[in-house]
Amino acid sequence: DADVTQTPRNRITKTGKRIMLECSQTKGHDRMYWYRQDPGLGLRLIYYSFDVKDINKGEISDGYSVSRQAQAKFSLSLESAIPNQTALYFCATSDLKGPQHFGDGTRLSIL
Amino acid sequence: GNSVTQMEGPVTLSEEAFLTINCTYTATGYPSLFWYVQYPGEGLQLLLKATKADDKGSNKGFEATYRKETTSFHLEKGSVQVSDSAVYFCALSHASGGSYIPTFGRGTSLIVHP
Repeated sequence: DADVTQTPRNRITKTGKRIMLECSQTKGHDRMYWYRQDPGLGLRLIYYSFDVKDINKGEISDGYSVSRQAQAKFSLSLESAIPNQTALYFCATSDLKGPQHFGDGTRLSIL
Repeated sequence: GNSVTQMEGPVTLSEEAFLTINCTYTATGYPSLFWYVQYPGEGLQLLLKATKADDKGSNKGFEATYRKETTSFHLEKGSVQVSDSAVYFCALSHASGGSYIPTFGRGTSLIVHP
């Protein structure tokens, strides 16, 4: 089983819909992150969490919200999806200084 | 703030050619440095890392040396294979206000032809 699992893997939806992307991990890490990847722009940090009661905005948090339901679960929501949020989304985990461990991504298309 | 700059791609090579992907960083003190690889349809996975100056990270024939004097962490491989075709990301992790927030470069696509 994967250490970091993202669901769904693919999603197509319409403008204005609410979307939730889920992430769960078995690494036992306290730190979890959400990124989006766009061609030519690399990875951009949306939100991150250092423990269950900690939520921090990244560089592109507008239009997104997150929930850290447990140490192992971190979900990303788009309250009212818009086409420019079409991207590949990644969840990642890490310990304090170590490398990040990524899920396989969710490909989201907003029509 | 912290930043990572890596060469733009795509880098196109023939099989068995020598590979260099340049990466330089901006950070105060001594960040930890990483190279990640992303194969098509997958997430990023750690390729190698170095945590202090002059450390050499290596894995699967790839190497990178932490050069504090030039703030660089260039990725090299002596003989690439078609299976090395992927996107490579340079990254650093460094304390900022007590938090270790990772910073990624934009990625370099490598295409290896038979």
